[in-house]
Amino acid sequence: GAGVSQSPSNKVTEKGKDVELRCDPISGHTALYWYRQSLGQGLEFLIYFQGNSAPDKSGLPSDRFSAERTGGSVSTLTIQRTQQEDSAVYLCASSLEGTSGSTDTQYFGPGTRLTVL
Amino acid sequence: AQSVTQLGSHVSVSEGALVLLRCNYSSSVPPYLFWYVQYPNQGLQLLLKYTSAATLVKGINGFEAEFKKSETSFHLTKPSAHMSDAAEYFCAVRIIQGAQKLVFGQGTRLTINP
Repeated sequence: GAGVSQSPSNKVTEKGKDVELRCDPISGHTALYWYRQSLGQGLEFLIYFQGNSAPDKSGLPSDRFSAERTGGSVSTLTIQRTQQEDSAVYLCASSLEGTSGSTDTQYFGPGTRLTVL
Repeated sequence: AQSVTQLGSHVSVSEGALVLLRCNYSSSVPPYLFWYVQYPNQGLQLLLKYTSAATLVKGINGFEAEFKKSETSFHLTKPSAHMSDAAEYFCAVRIIQGAQKLVFGQGTRLTINP
């Protein structure tokens, strides 16, 4: 079946511009996660959705970062006033439940490579 | 807080040799542990996971890992390396209660020499 998809695959933007990154999770998965992969910081958690709610947004690095999820499906990660340090690969993952004690697996999308000039 | 340490950012082995990638975790509560593989320009693919059942876990592509609580380790092994195993490997921990996020190690890049 279809996996997690992300768009765009690559995004080049100028410093100060806003960008939106999209994630389509696996159909029926209620939990959705955003991670960031960068050379200096490795793989970092950003935010977790259960349905349309975000009970854990502790990894968002600043108030320039926000995310939403609608209809329990598609999620958008928005970065306002981009900075060069935002350059990274942004990975989305989804899992069936994501609830406490759940053993289900997080399935990852191919990522969006963001370059801020 | 839970954390993961992967010993060796780069590992190089010959084709047909044993692969051993090391992972140690820190967690005050029982963890779930995962190994993911990332091929160039691709996302992460699950190799195997430990969720408090059998301590020896078998995964895809001939990989396996053993959970050793006394050593707080979850090392990944494969008896005989193939050229196609060249990739980056990530160990990750997730605690059972509370937060659902994965905490990843820094990754180990595996190179296979012909």
